[in-house]
Amino acid sequence: SQKIEQNSEALNIQEGKTATLTCNYTNYSPAYLQWYRQDPGRGPVFLLLIRENEKEKRKERLKVTFDTTLKQSLFHITASQPADSATYLCALDPMDSSYKLIFGSGTRLLVRP
Amino acid sequence: ETGVTQSPTHLIKTRGQQVTLRCSSQSGHNTVSWYQQALGQGPQFIFQYYREEENGRGNFPPRFSGLQFPNYSSELNVNALELDDSALYLCASSPALAGGETDEQFFGPGTRLTVL
Repeated sequence: SQKIEQNSEALNIQEGKTATLTCNYTNYSPAYLQWYRQDPGRGPVFLLLIRENEKEKRKERLKVTFDTTLKQSLFHITASQPADSATYLCALDPMDSSYKLIFGSGTRLLVRP
Repeated sequence: ETGVTQSPTHLIKTRGQQVTLRCSSQSGHNTVSWYQQALGQGPQFIFQYYREEENGRGNFPPRFSGLQFPNYSSELNVNALELDDSALYLCASSPALAGGETDEQFFGPGTRLTVL
């Protein structure tokens, strides 16, 4: 069956450390992945899109990798800050012409001061 | 530039009732998608509208229906509400489709629907 999985356990790290979140998918062949941030009671906010031929993409303190062999994307936040505390969602286009995004269930990140 | 807005913010209905949720897309965006997000889960795609036509649909029953208007605003209608319909309903807009890809989505704040 088709699945997109993120670690359901919250990630709890110390301020200043690097947070690494994982997104694994099964039985999809996405041409790209997207990462979103969601704060409680708010809609998701787009962060980064990475294409299958890009391997790595950076934006300020954020870095995303995309390994189509492992069927995995890693999302890194360097020099993390308490303001980075939120739920992070990965999403992929199933490439079935349905124009939908399939979202993972998200990983909650808590950055301790 | 005005972002995506949704109304109402919160809504309480009883089982069997009907509900209409509204969304105004971001300026310049002609594609609107609706998602349902249950507590602790990621958003699930309901359907998408492009130029007033349904352009794609997720695994939701026909009692979930929608409209898009000439100004690209949109409505989500749910008939015969069930307890499991309790969720955050998110509207997302995006620029014109390019090559069939689903580009960056701009989400609204959502409508929290509670069905008693």
